[in-house]
This record gives sequence, C-alpha cells and structure tokens, in this order.
Amino acid sequence: GQQLNQSPQSMFIQEGEDVSMNCTSSSIFNTWLWYKQDPGEGPVLLIALYKAGELTSNGRLTAQFGITRKDSFLNISASIPSDVGIYFCAGRSGGGADGLTFGKGTHLIIQP
Amino acid sequence: NAGVTQTPKFQVLKTGQSMTLQCAQDMNHEYMSWYRQDPGMGLRLIHYSVGAGITDQGEVPNGYNVSRSTTEDFPLRLLSAAPSQTSVYFCASSYGLAGVQYFGPGTRLTVT
Repeated sequence: GQQLNQSPQSMFIQEGEDVSMNCTSSSIFNTWLWYKQDPGEGPVLLIALYKAGELTSNGRLTAQFGITRKDSFLNISASIPSDVGIYFCAGRSGGGADGLTFGKGTHLIIQP
Repeated sequence: NAGVTQTPKFQVLKTGQSMTLQCAQDMNHEYMSWYRQDPGMGLRLIHYSVGAGITDQGEVPNGYNVSRSTTEDFPLRLLSAAPSQTSVYFCASSYGLAGVQYFGPGTRLTVT
C-alpha cells in the first residue's frame, strides 16, 4: 500500500521557537491533511490542502501542498505550551473511497 | 451537533470473546470509516462505508466485520478477539468521498 514518510519523529523545542515538519510520499496525492492529536483524544483537523502549490494558514500554522503532489510541510510559528501533541499528515489519492493514508506522526514536546 | 461519538471509551476482553464497538454521527455524512492506531504505526484503515448498505475493506480488515444499516451508525464487530487486536480504535466520517474526515474520541481496547 501507499506509505507516507513523516519527519521528524519527535521534536524537543523551547517555547517561542518555530517548528517545521514534513511528509513525503512515493505516490501522488490529491489531498493533504494535517491533524493534531492530544493524549486520549481523536485527531483534530488543522489544515486541509487540495491543490498542488497551495499554501494555507490557520493562525500560527502554515501548510503547503508540494508542487510535485508527493510532499507537504507544516510550520508552527512562535510555539506555545498548548502546541504539545502528536501531529499527523494524511493524504488521499484517486477518488478517495479508500480512506486516508497516515504518516506515523511527529511528537512535539515544548520545554518552557 | 455531537459530531462523531464512540462507545465504549475503554474495554478489556479475553481472547476469543466477541464485542461490538459503536460509532454514530449526527452530521448526515455519507462516508464513515474505522481506523486502528498502534504505537509508531500511525492510523490504519480497517473498513469503510460510502453509504447505507455499502461497506468495503481497508488496509487491515482481517478479524473485523462491519455493517451500515443507517446513515448515522457504523458498528465494528470483533467476532473472536485476539491479543493482536489490542489497539485504539477511531471512527471517522465525512460528507463525501473527498471530504475532510472528522474523528471520534476513540475506544481503547485491550485483549488479554
């Protein structure tokens, strides 16, 4: 099946620092999604990208759909303690009936 | 709207027991799906449904059954639980095939 390589696996940063994570795929996706998961909760959508080259912001978060359609990145500016959690990229190819392919997640830890 | 709800939140089973994980959504979404989340593995698709009466297999369907008798409900059945099915199970729904998927809070299942 399709695989997404998400990196880094974990990040230890200081509060106020900017964060960058990315996902790459061996195949083309038509949609890229970024989710955040807090402990004991389900993933919550942060940003959805539908077009190659698209750059979308949501507050301090910015994500881009790579022009090759095989990658995407998520940036978080000026991190705060509530940004702690696991961030997942997810992609959908084709008609979408077969669900999302998820990366393995980036665990973000913020030191005050 | 309650969104996507799942019950139970926690469950412990003995090997060979059967049970049904419940999932319901009140957003009139056609598409519903079940994922399992294991440490370091991200989320993997078990089964999905594109509408009432229609279901199909995802990436890891073995050991699980589903049915979709109504738009709102999409239960996941374990007929004979095995320790390898110890995981966190998430139900998700979306308006259409290409729509953004919204996740429930998860069911944490332990099989001993």
